[in-house]
Amino acid sequence: DSGVTQTPKHLITATGQRVTLRCSPRSGDLSVYWYQQSLDQGLQFLIQYYNGEERAKGNILERFSAQQFPDLHSELNLSSLELGDSALYFCASSVSSGQIGELFFGEGSRLTVL
Amino acid sequence: LAKTTQPISMDSYEGQEVNITCSHNNIATNDYITWYQQFPSQGPRFIIQGYKTKVTNEVASLFIPADRKSSTLSLPRVSLSDTAVYYCLVGYNAGNMLTFGGGTRLMVKP
Repeated sequence: DSGVTQTPKHLITATGQRVTLRCSPRSGDLSVYWYQQSLDQGLQFLIQYYNGEERAKGNILERFSAQQFPDLHSELNLSSLELGDSALYFCASSVSSGQIGELFFGEGSRLTVL
Repeated sequence: LAKTTQPISMDSYEGQEVNITCSHNNIATNDYITWYQQFPSQGPRFIIQGYKTKVTNEVASLFIPADRKSSTLSLPRVSLSDTAVYYCLVGYNAGNMLTFGGGTRLMVKP
């Protein structure tokens, strides 16, 4: 158990819909990262937040947005969903954005768009 | 960010030692090398991290030559449960070790 909690674990929805994925980082971790992993693909970095502020941005689509709240949990919002958005979405956390350390990953949220 | 190159896949047998090499020719002075393991449908898990020479923990060793342009993850006496994808990352903090690349798919056979 990494200490990172993601909900929901599974989500099935239709094209055009909007969903919200939630992540609670490990206690004390200030940094949250979101990754997308499509079937048999590598992990694509989407976005990073540190203590409520956006710190780094990867290949995140304009239809996707995220935020980190004062209690440090984070939400990833996916809108106007397309079939190609079906993937595992992972959240990871780390103590800091500015020092060496490991990323602790959650178990992921599997999104299926029909 | 330093680009990494790893073999796409490797096969091994139970009980053997497995060495997975990662090339990172443009590694920067401040960069560390970190390896993660990922099982199907699970989040990656940290294995080991190092800067130079050799690092060993309870599950693996990491060998880094003096020029640091490559690194080798060594898994002693693998078992079937070591079948997974192994990722090599290079960067100087958790904030810039963001790109996982394709990883190496290790298959351990009985």
